[in-house]
This record gives sequence, structure tokens and C-alpha cells, in this order.
Amino acid sequence: DQQVKQNSPSLSVQEGRISILNCDYTNSMFDYFLWYKKYPAEGPTFLISISSIKDKNEDGRFTVFLNKSAKHLSLHIVPSQPGDSAVYFCAASARPDSWGKLQFGAGTQVVVTP
Amino acid sequence: EPEVTQTPSHQVTQMGQEVILRCVPISNHLYFYWYRQILGQKVEFLVSFYNNEISEKSEIFDDQFSVERPDGSNFTLKIRSTKLEDSAMYFCASRAGNEQYFGPGTRLTVT
Repeated sequence: DQQVKQNSPSLSVQEGRISILNCDYTNSMFDYFLWYKKYPAEGPTFLISISSIKDKNEDGRFTVFLNKSAKHLSLHIVPSQPGDSAVYFCAASARPDSWGKLQFGAGTQVVVTP
Repeated sequence: EPEVTQTPSHQVTQMGQEVILRCVPISNHLYFYWYRQILGQKVEFLVSFYNNEISEKSEIFDDQFSVERPDGSNFTLKIRSTKLEDSAMYFCASRAGNEQYFGPGTRLTVT
């Protein structure tokens, strides 16, 4: 089941620069998208989300862009900080039918270097 | 800030034994979920629970699995007869609006 794909398993970025994480999906019924950050031995932490009626949502250093026609979303982190080093998961749900069930991508490991 | 809690953090059990994983969702949330992540794999949906009943379950959630909200605060996942392949991190999540908030997880090791 590859409905949500994160094709880059890892990303290395210098502190202060922009991190861009990408996510593609195949299910056209998805209408809500979320990004989570995960440290080792912890649960996923919610970062930011976007509804399919929008194409951009911003929260501080985090911005999510949605391109519905391409079935693609991206997360921009600017400026990147050492504490941003973690695994980032893209997730999607097809409300209301699915009761909020999330489909996750495989994750992208981000390493922010000094 | 309210958070989802899970106990135990690590559970080791022998194959064939029953385990109960416990979660305390955020208090005003109405929707509850269990997910799992086998080492090296994606986070996978197991079950959603609303209004004291299962609202959706995945193919993984077979007759060996059950969920319960025994009181106003706890939400439990029971595996009746564990198998080696049940070894994974199990995450509980809850939501009130559109975003799900996850607990820290229980690492289940079946030997």
C-alpha cells in the first residue's frame, strides 16, 4: 500500500538554510494532510497540516505547500536549526469516510549540520 | 500542555501470551486510534474508536486484537496470543479537531 510516498529517505542541510521535504500521494480522496516530526524512542509530534481547499499553510518556520493537480506536497523549514534533526513523516487522511485514519509515508531523516 | 501517555514504555512477552497496552488520551478528545511501526517500516493504522465502538479497523487488526475504553480516561489495546511478528512500536493517538496527537509509544518485544 503506497498511497503516500516520501522518496527521499534522508536530507542533510546546513544550519540556517532551508530544508525542503517532499511527499507524493496517489489517492485522490485524500483531503487533509499533516506533517509529523519524530525523534528516536518518541511518538510522532504534530507539526503542521493543510486542508485540500488550501494550497499553503504557514506556522512560524514551517510552511506546507499543496499542489493537488500534481498530488504533491512539501514542507519548508526555514531557517533550519540543529533541533530540527529528526525523521519527518507526511500523512494523509480521507475525511469524513475514514474516521481520520492516517496513511503515512516512509519518512525522511533530516540532519542539520553546523 | 495536555499530552497522550502510554504504559508501559517497553513490554517483553513470550509468544502466545496476552498483552495489554494502555493509553490515556487527551481528556477532551473524542476519537482514539492505535497505530504500530515495525522496525524499519512505515507507521501503520490499526484501529479507530469513537463513541465506545470501533469505527474502522485495518486488515492487521484481526480477531487476536481488541480495544476497550474501560473508564473515562483509559484506552487499551489487547493482543490475545502474541506472535513474533507482533513485535513493534505501538502508538496511541487521539484527536478532537483535525489533528491527531500521538503518545510516546510502547515497544512490544515478543520472544
